[in-house]
Amino acid sequence: AQTVTQSQPEMSVQEAETVTLSCTYDTSESNYYLFWYKQPPSRQMILVIRQEAYKQQNATENRFSVNFQKAAKSFSLKISDSQLGDTAMYFCAFMKHNAGNMLTFGGGTRLMVKP
Amino acid sequence: DGGITQSPKYLFRKEGQNVTLSCEQNLNHDAMYWYRQDPGQGLRLIYYSQIVNDFQKGDIAEGYSVSREKKESFPLTVTSAQKNPTAFYLCASSPNGRTGSSYEQYFGPGTRLTVT
Repeated sequence: AQTVTQSQPEMSVQEAETVTLSCTYDTSESNYYLFWYKQPPSRQMILVIRQEAYKQQNATENRFSVNFQKAAKSFSLKISDSQLGDTAMYFCAFMKHNAGNMLTFGGGTRLMVKP
Repeated sequence: DGGITQSPKYLFRKEGQNVTLSCEQNLNHDAMYWYRQDPGQGLRLIYYSQIVNDFQKGDIAEGYSVSREKKESFPLTVTSAQKNPTAFYLCASSPNGRTGSSYEQYFGPGTRLTVT
């Protein structure tokens, strides 16, 4: 079974600054996917970014980028130029390849962006 | 617009009553999922369905039941056997989960259930 750990329950950052959220996972699989989902106060889960384990290049989506370290089983999310609208819970999730798109979630990190 | 709808947004019930939460999607997705989220915690899988007329238990299925009679609908019933039913419930869907490809899940807006 896979486990996903987010060791930072809460974080804060000043508007326009950069913040990094940590995620580690444990798996014996070699082919898998990793995701970061955002849950703002509205509680709607929104996909932020996706990384395929077979790709060495780190995924990037505008101000969001990841640092994927496969050997270390680490998958951190970097938010650049933080905006007030980035305030949310952030969940790291693991998906094994060809396994029915099943997700295993971490416990989440609450991010507060301060003006 | 394509998406996932969950109704109602807030639901209140008395202890001992069964209650059914609705989840509908018009994304033509084969797979659908139900999650439970407790305050300050991550999502835990209750049930999932990869195809119509088939579903499997997730990690916390006790006290819950589902049906999948139509591709677009996956209702969740919270029975009186569920000891702590008050929670936020999220429904999700994804494209065909039975092939060799992997796809992210898309989520509905959720239903907040309060049982007193």
